[in-house]
Amino acid sequence: NAGVTQTPKFRVLKTGQSMTLLCAQDMNHEYMYWYRQDPGMGLRLIHYSVGEGTTAKGEVPDGYNVSRLKKQNFLLGLESAAPSQTSVYFCASSSQGTAQETQYFGPGTRLLVL
Amino acid sequence: AQSVTQPDIHITVSEGASLELRCNYSYGATPYLFWYVQSPGQGLQLLLKYFSGDTLVQGIKGFEAEFKRSQSSFNLRKPSVHWSDAAEYFCAVGPGGGNKLTFGTGTQLKVEL
Repeated sequence: NAGVTQTPKFRVLKTGQSMTLLCAQDMNHEYMYWYRQDPGMGLRLIHYSVGEGTTAKGEVPDGYNVSRLKKQNFLLGLESAAPSQTSVYFCASSSQGTAQETQYFGPGTRLLVL
Repeated sequence: AQSVTQPDIHITVSEGASLELRCNYSYGATPYLFWYVQSPGQGLQLLLKYFSGDTLVQGIKGFEAEFKRSQSSFNLRKPSVHWSDAAEYFCAVGPGGGNKLTFGTGTQLKVEL
């Protein structure tokens, strides 16, 4: 049981390049989330999904797209990377039903956009 | 809208001393409250959570937190800090739609030996 995994761990992009971050969970969770973490700003929600085939915008969705084609995977895409997207990205998941369920986090992806 | 305030950006304590990290929240109903810890270069790990019932909750690693509705607070405490507790601590409140959580900006804890 690996929990929540993220690929890659670290990436350097040039401005304008595109990339996809992959999040996978093996806990059969319905809900999945993408956050970005920046110094002094805590974690901010980018997009989330309440089930396979569904996505919704979070607090800071601009410049990102997501897809949830399979229940266990949640992809975050940057179509044209900008230096402002330099950040640490965390994926999390939680089970459906009661809102009491804990969010389980992956180890993060460090992205540097030059 | 829900929000969380962690007023202390940095805190330094000596090993063996007691610790209290502050968290104030804004939420329209009875909140669910969480404390997470993040060690350098790592993801977030849940320390403890409050949903209902006893307002004093116990967590892992000897941490506890007390929910005070009248003060809209959920402060984290530990009686004796260990050097390994040096990390960043995040308070979070929920739920929003889709089980969303709102996180505070974090408190960086430094432990002096």
